[in-house]
Amino acid sequence: DIVMTQSPDSLAVSLGERATINCKSSQRVLYSSNNKNYLAWYQQKPGQPPKLLIYWASTRESGVPDRFSGSGCGTDFTLTISSLQAEDVAVYYCQQYYSTPYTFGQGTKLDIK
Amino acid sequence: QVQLVQSGAEVKKPGASVKVSCKASGYTFTSFDFNWVRQATGQGLEWMGWMNPNSGNTGYAQTFEGRVTMTRNTSISTAYMELSSLTSEDTAVYYCARKAASDYWGQGTLVTVSS
Repeated sequence: DIVMTQSPDSLAVSLGERATINCKSSQRVLYSSNNKNYLAWYQQKPGQPPKLLIYWASTRESGVPDRFSGSGCGTDFTLTISSLQAEDVAVYYCQQYYSTPYTFGQGTKLDIK
Repeated sequence: QVQLVQSGAEVKKPGASVKVSCKASGYTFTSFDFNWVRQATGQGLEWMGWMNPNSGNTGYAQTFEGRVTMTRNTSISTAYMELSSLTSEDTAVYYCARKAASDYWGQGTLVTVSS
């Protein structure tokens, strides 16, 4: 199984500042035939299901604000929120969908400083 | 609009089985795989398996192999996840989700296992 490890486990960022969450996979999730990284990012708020933010490591889902961006390739990935808003307080998860089981990271809790 | 609507909360005794349904609307049911994910209270997301609603093909996480069955009824656009031999450790919210990079999720079904 591919193990996904996020860092940090939690962070607090001031409103308007940048938040960065990292995700590392134990194996490459880049499929060479189409040059796509099979990596997604989700946001989950209390009492709600996860919401897809980013797929193919860097493609923003429709309707997701452009302050959210994803980057990385191979085994190392980053979710960046360029200017933190109050509504961004949530737990964020990365997930690989390169091979089953489609494993998730342990989650990163993002709060306002 | 796309919706996944799950069945209601369940309370089960240890050793019993539970079957959760997920009714899809707003798109062609057979076009996209379903995934099932569970989340214990205060914990992270755990992927359970997938099902192709067109072929009925499935794949399960080894953790659940032998205990989980994913099926569908295409005539009513509904996917099902059945988990057997329940223990208290299966107490969790169970989600259905569309596609591997899951763009739509059900609202979740709380399954409580308690004697």
